[in-house]
Amino acid sequence: AQTVTQSQPEMSVQEAETVTLSCTYDTSESDYYLFWYKQPPSRQMILVIRQEAYKQQNATENRFSVNFQKAAKSFSLKISDSQLGDAAMYFCAYRSSVIQGAQKLVFGQGTRLTINP
Amino acid sequence: DAGVIQSPRHEVTEMGQEVTLRCKPISGHNSLFWYRQTMMRGLELLIYFNNNVPIDDSGMPEDRFSAKMPNASFSTLKIQPSEPRDSAVYFCASSLDFGGVNEQFFGPGTRLTVL
Repeated sequence: AQTVTQSQPEMSVQEAETVTLSCTYDTSESDYYLFWYKQPPSRQMILVIRQEAYKQQNATENRFSVNFQKAAKSFSLKISDSQLGDAAMYFCAYRSSVIQGAQKLVFGQGTRLTINP
Repeated sequence: DAGVIQSPRHEVTEMGQEVTLRCKPISGHNSLFWYRQTMMRGLELLIYFNNNVPIDDSGMPEDRFSAKMPNASFSTLKIQPSEPRDSAVYFCASSLDFGGVNEQFFGPGTRLTVL
């Protein structure tokens, strides 16, 4: 079974600075998808960024980018120019690429990010 | 686009009572997921439907939990009888399963408190 580990329960960063959240995963599959979700106090789960394992290029979405190291099974999230609205729980998630039967997301434990003004 | 709709948003009930959570997926989506979030166990999948058929229910805790999807636009998660340890936030998510990345869109969640 696949597992996802986020080793940083809490992180904090000064507004406008850059912060990196860590995520490692364990799988025997060669093709899969990785995601970062944001959960603000409203508890709504919001997709931040996604990465297909077959793509070597790291995904970017505006101020958000990932460092995907397939051999090391590492998938970190970098937030540049941190804003107060970035404060939230961040979850790393894994999904198999099998078409049916394995569509579920496997989540890490989450990292609570605080932005200091 | 209304997004995934869940009701109720909050539910407080007493131990032993029946609880029914409801979900309306995004129109056109063919996969529906029920997740549970607790402090102890984090976010975990309870059950997953594809084209209204349950595909993976290995996360359903026990026989007290049941889920149905009578049509493409509605699903229920029922707990009978409820217990205090069922207190959690229950999320419904939906996706269009076309064999690709299939982003899952989450509803706002139902916070369940069992006294």
